[in-house]
Amino acid sequence: DTEVTQTPKHLVMGMTNKKSLKCEQHMGHRAMYWYKQKAKKPPELMFVYSYEKLSINESVPSRFSPECPNSSLLNLHLHALQPEDSALYLCASSPGSAEAFFGQGTRLTVV
Amino acid sequence: GQQLNQSPQSMFIQEGEDVSMNCTSSSIFNTWLWYKQDPGEGPVLLIALYKAGELTSNGRLTAQFGITRKDSFLNISASIPSDVGIYFCAGRWSSGAGSYQLTFGKGTKLSVIP
Repeated sequence: DTEVTQTPKHLVMGMTNKKSLKCEQHMGHRAMYWYKQKAKKPPELMFVYSYEKLSINESVPSRFSPECPNSSLLNLHLHALQPEDSALYLCASSPGSAEAFFGQGTRLTVV
Repeated sequence: GQQLNQSPQSMFIQEGEDVSMNCTSSSIFNTWLWYKQDPGEGPVLLIALYKAGELTSNGRLTAQFGITRKDSFLNISASIPSDVGIYFCAGRWSSGAGSYQLTFGKGTKLSVIP
């Protein structure tokens, strides 16, 4: 089983809303990631969690707040987003020094 | 920072033709990964390469990890319409403290003409 599950698949939110993206994996992977992908561009790393601790924050604005409640779950809390934050948000997990597996993504539209 | 140059940017080929794309870098990577992404979906891992010089196949796909650890190529033989999509190479490197990151190429958009 190499499945990373992301919910919701689509999300439309206003600039004053608060919403959360969820990611789940049951492969026992110790590293989990959030990426942002704009159209026709490669994924851009946002955050890395290693053993449930935030290890990398790629200078992401504070309106994006990650959370790792346990080794299987990763959340991304969204607040006061801007229209330019509209993108495909991808979660990935990795067993460590090997390959990373991606979820299907959440298509976020900020209106 | 780490950068990957992926080429070509796009390809239009006839069904049945072979395809080749590659990635080069000035940096050394300890793992090379090749992903395919369909519109609106997440990248799907095609092939992972772990050792310099390694040649790995997955069905009609063949990829190699360059001997200098700074490049990789992906070949697709006898292309079919479902091969359409964007192919990304990614180099994996250690960012310290037990964390690893991926650096992605800009992608190769493949179009197959039936």
